[in-house]
Amino acid sequence: SAVISQKPSRDICQRGTSLTIQCQVDSQVTMMFWYRQQPGQSLTLIATANQGSEATYESGFVIDKFPISRPNLTFSTLTVSNMSPEDSSIYLCSVEVRGPYNEQFFGPGTRLTVL
Amino acid sequence: QQQVKQSPQSLIVQKGGISIINCAYENTAFDYFPWYQQFPGKGPALLIAIRPDVSEKKEGRFTISFNKSAKQFSLHIMDSQPGDSATYFCAASTISSASKIIFGSGTRLSIRP
Repeated sequence: SAVISQKPSRDICQRGTSLTIQCQVDSQVTMMFWYRQQPGQSLTLIATANQGSEATYESGFVIDKFPISRPNLTFSTLTVSNMSPEDSSIYLCSVEVRGPYNEQFFGPGTRLTVL
Repeated sequence: QQQVKQSPQSLIVQKGGISIINCAYENTAFDYFPWYQQFPGKGPALLIAIRPDVSEKKEGRFTISFNKSAKQFSLHIMDSQPGDSATYFCAASTISSASKIIFGSGTRLSIRP
């Protein structure tokens, strides 16, 4: 498994501002992911962050709105830019641990409220 | 074809009873089916997973039943306890592309004492 931490755990932000969320894992991993989970909803993949290359974004998500950094094998950041109330959500990072099943493990999430 | 359909949306079970959550998929390329448990304010935690080469996998009180021909799988929680109250997500992916996990819509389970 993997131990994943996220900062901040929650934040309340004003419309039009940006917030950077940090994700730290206790071991080196190749694949890191960012998800969004709106209240009471399932998880939606935003992008895949590979070290040394540009993040790969899913349909409906763009780099200008959700820039991602992946400077090394244990750390990644997701920025939510020019926020609006519709961005209020839980943002989760996850990592893939290679093995027989290539399992994904999730961080505790960052609860974002945009006023 | 990429969807995983999950039911029910919510479930109330008496303590000691059996909780059953069902999922169905269309993409026959899926070959890895994990279940995640999520408590309020926490991230999803991998609970149990199965590959389609077996029809059942049991870990403690949690059992996955898998029906490959019907493209359905289910989670059974035996002797359900109030501490099992959480949201459960089924999911599917291919081993070769585990990053592309497709999640079900979730089931909010409440265990009544």
